[in-house]
Amino acid sequence: AQSVTQLGSHVSVSEGALVLLRCNYSSSVPPYLFWYVQYPNQGLQLLLKYTSAATLVKGINGFEAEFKKSETSFHLTKPSAHMSDAAEYFCAVSEGSGAGSYQLTFGKGTKLSVIP
Amino acid sequence: EAGVTQFPSHSVIEKGQTVTLRCDPISGHDNLYWYRRVMGKEIKFLLHFVKESKQDESGMPNNRFLAERTGGTYSTLKVQPAELEDSGVYFCASSQGQTLLETQYFGPGTRLLVL
Repeated sequence: AQSVTQLGSHVSVSEGALVLLRCNYSSSVPPYLFWYVQYPNQGLQLLLKYTSAATLVKGINGFEAEFKKSETSFHLTKPSAHMSDAAEYFCAVSEGSGAGSYQLTFGKGTKLSVIP
Repeated sequence: EAGVTQFPSHSVIEKGQTVTLRCDPISGHDNLYWYRRVMGKEIKFLLHFVKESKQDESGMPNNRFLAERTGGTYSTLKVQPAELEDSGVYFCASSQGQTLLETQYFGPGTRLLVL
């Protein structure tokens, strides 16, 4: 089974500062990786996904993530934080089961606070 | 296009009672998933429907949980009898296809508290 580790359950940044949320995965095969965001009282929304087409993936709201196979990482970044970015962010890997099903395996999540 | 909807948004019940959660997927999505997040833990997979068939229910905690998807449209997840450790947020997701690349669209979740 694959696993995902998100370093830091809480991250605080100042408005306008760089956002860096870390995600490391363990997988014996090329992974398909996702970043989701959950705003307060809302469901999970897809930010971006890595599907092996390009190592640098651009997502919505100015976020991007870079797949680094040598580091087994898929860190999420945004050059300049905005107050509206305050949310919880989840890194996930897609894996198949022997039953012919596909499921997401999530990290524990990182809550991002943006300080004015 | 309407997203994935879940009902109720919150439920507070006593230990031993029964609760039924409902999920309406995006129209046309054959694949429906249930996940659960217990406080402080990861979001974990419970089961996967393809149309009305259970494709994978390996994540279901025990036989107190029963999921159905009659007619291949909406799904229900029943917990009977509920225990304290069942408290958490139950998410439903749906997808059109069934591949590793497929995006799963999530609902807002049902927050269940068992007292």
